[in-house]
Amino acid sequence: GQNIDQPTEMTATEGAIVQINCTYQTSGFNGLFWYQQHAGEAPTFLSYNVLDGLEEKGRFSSFLSRSKGYSYLLLKELQMKDSASYLCAVRWGSTLGRLYFGRGTQLTVWP
Amino acid sequence: EAQVTQNPRYLITVTGKKLTVTCSQNMNHEYMSWYRQDPGLGLRQIYYSMNVEVTDKGDVPEGYKVSRKEKRNFPLILESSSPNQTSLYFCASSLSAGDSSYEQYFGPGTRLTVT
Repeated sequence: GQNIDQPTEMTATEGAIVQINCTYQTSGFNGLFWYQQHAGEAPTFLSYNVLDGLEEKGRFSSFLSRSKGYSYLLLKELQMKDSASYLCAVRWGSTLGRLYFGRGTQLTVWP
Repeated sequence: EAQVTQNPRYLITVTGKKLTVTCSQNMNHEYMSWYRQDPGLGLRQIYYSMNVEVTDKGDVPEGYKVSRKEKRNFPLILESSSPNQTSLYFCASSLSAGDSSYEQYFGPGTRLTVT
């Protein structure tokens, strides 16, 4: 299985940059996802990393270090609408079907 | 419109009742999966299906059954519901589980209460 660790809560102000970290067990790792979930809604896909390095997509970037079992999601130019829970998920094992989610990081953006 | 639909969206039932939560996708996706989300525990995978007639257990399969007789549908069956199955359930699908077809689309969720 997997033990995924991410901070429970973070706060930031509009226009700022925030980095949400995620650590996981490296054994069996097969890819890492970041999802955004607004209160009362379904998760929506943000990014996917399977190789080391930074993936940039507009205001959002995601970084992966496979050897360290570490990823982060970087959100730039924060907006109020970015207030949400951010979920780190690891695809585990050779079948590719197993997905383990962290407990989520609740980000609150203040004006 | 490309989407994953779940029915019902809300359900209150009593202990011991058999119930089925349906999930359907119209994107011709091979991979489908069920999750439950509980406060403080996050999303946990119940069952997944790599393709028609191929299903496998996730992290918390006890008390649940699934079937995948056709590509678009992946129902979740609770043979005898119990209060510890009170949760928010999400169905999700993706084109495939591997390679670049990894993005999962989630249904709107089904809130189940078992009394």
